[in-house]
Amino acid sequence: SAVISQKPSRDICQRGTSLTIQCQVDSQVTMMFWYRQQPGQSLTLIATANQGSEATYESGFVIDKFPISRPNLTFSTLTVSNMSPEDSSIYLCSSQQDTQYFGPGTRLTVL
Amino acid sequence: ILNVEQSPQSLHVQEGDSTNFTCSFPSSNFYALHWYRWETAKSPEALFVMTLNGDEKKKGRISATLNTKEGYSYLYIKGSQPEDSATYLCALGMDSSYKLIFGSGTRLLVRP
Repeated sequence: SAVISQKPSRDICQRGTSLTIQCQVDSQVTMMFWYRQQPGQSLTLIATANQGSEATYESGFVIDKFPISRPNLTFSTLTVSNMSPEDSSIYLCSSQQDTQYFGPGTRLTVL
Repeated sequence: ILNVEQSPQSLHVQEGDSTNFTCSFPSSNFYALHWYRWETAKSPEALFVMTLNGDEKKKGRISATLNTKEGYSYLYIKGSQPEDSATYLCALGMDSSYKLIFGSGTRLLVRP
């Protein structure tokens, strides 16, 4: 199994600002993912973040809005840029090992 | 657009009751079916990963079955306890990319 931590656990931000979410895995993993859950919606994949390559974004998500870093095999960051109230969501990172393990999420509210 | 459907959306049961939920998915797009248990402010907890038609898995009082031909999976909880209260998510893996498509979840509340 894997233990994944995220920082911050929650934040309230003003529109137009940016927030960087950190994700730390307790072991080295090749594949990491970023998801979000908007209010009343399903968990939706934003992008796949593999170490040593550019992140791969799903339809509807772009690098300018959600830049991702993956500097090593245990860490990744997701930035939510130029935030609007529609970005209010829970953001989760995950890592793929024998199954997919998730962090506890970052609850973001944009005013 | 690929849809993973879960029903019911929410469920309130009494302690000791047994319950079950459904996850439906397009049978033509199948690689693996995952069940997760998600309590508020905690990490989603992986319960089961199933890949074979007819698969049946069990973890304590929780079990799951899979029918890939008709595109559904059932999750059963026997003798529900208040600590079982959580949102239960199913997710479809479509290929070896490990990307998951989630249903909207079933929110279970078990009353003491």
